[in-house]
Amino acid sequence: DSGVTQTPKHLITATGQRVTLRCSPRSGDLSVYWYQQSLDQGLQFLIQYYNGEERAKGNILERFSAQQFPDLHSELNLSSLELGDSALYFCASSVLPAETQYFGPGTRLLVL
Amino acid sequence: GENVEQHPSTLSVQEGDSAVIKCTYSDSASNYFPWYKQELGKGPQLIIDIRSNVGEKKDQRIAVTLNKTAKHFSLHITETQPEDSAVYFCAAIFTGGGNKLTFGTGTQLKVEL
Repeated sequence: DSGVTQTPKHLITATGQRVTLRCSPRSGDLSVYWYQQSLDQGLQFLIQYYNGEERAKGNILERFSAQQFPDLHSELNLSSLELGDSALYFCASSVLPAETQYFGPGTRLLVL
Repeated sequence: GENVEQHPSTLSVQEGDSAVIKCTYSDSASNYFPWYKQELGKGPQLIIDIRSNVGEKKDQRIAVTLNKTAKHFSLHITETQPEDSAVYFCAAIFTGGGNKLTFGTGTQLKVEL
């Protein structure tokens, strides 16, 4: 157990819908990262937050957004969902940027 | 661009044998190289990492070697056990990349009895 928690574990929804994935970092970690894992794209970085501020952005679609709250938990919002958004979404956390990242168990999203 | 190549994509070994997975990276300024193990239905689990000022690091049956000149790093697992069967990912943090991990494509390791 890495200490990073993610909810929900599974999510099934329809195209066009919007979902919110939630992540709680390890105790003491200030930085949160979101990654997407799909069969064709592998593990891809989406976005990073550090102490509430956006720090870096990767291949994140405009339909996706995220934030980190004052209690350091983070949410990833996915809207106007398409079939191709079906994937595993992982959250990771680290004490500081550039430090070791620990991953949560992931949320499996299925868009029908 | 930022790229990590990983080989082989699948690896099958007999229990007790050694397994080696190799990765190459594109940016010579990279300075952090972790390895993750992912079991079915779980998130990536950090198993070992190495920074650019170190050439080798060991942790029990697992070791990682780094060759900065050749821009490659390798994972070595000795005395493999069935519970080592999983997908292994190498990764790198590229300078100027905002601390994001760039992952290799993964190696499916199967340890056979």
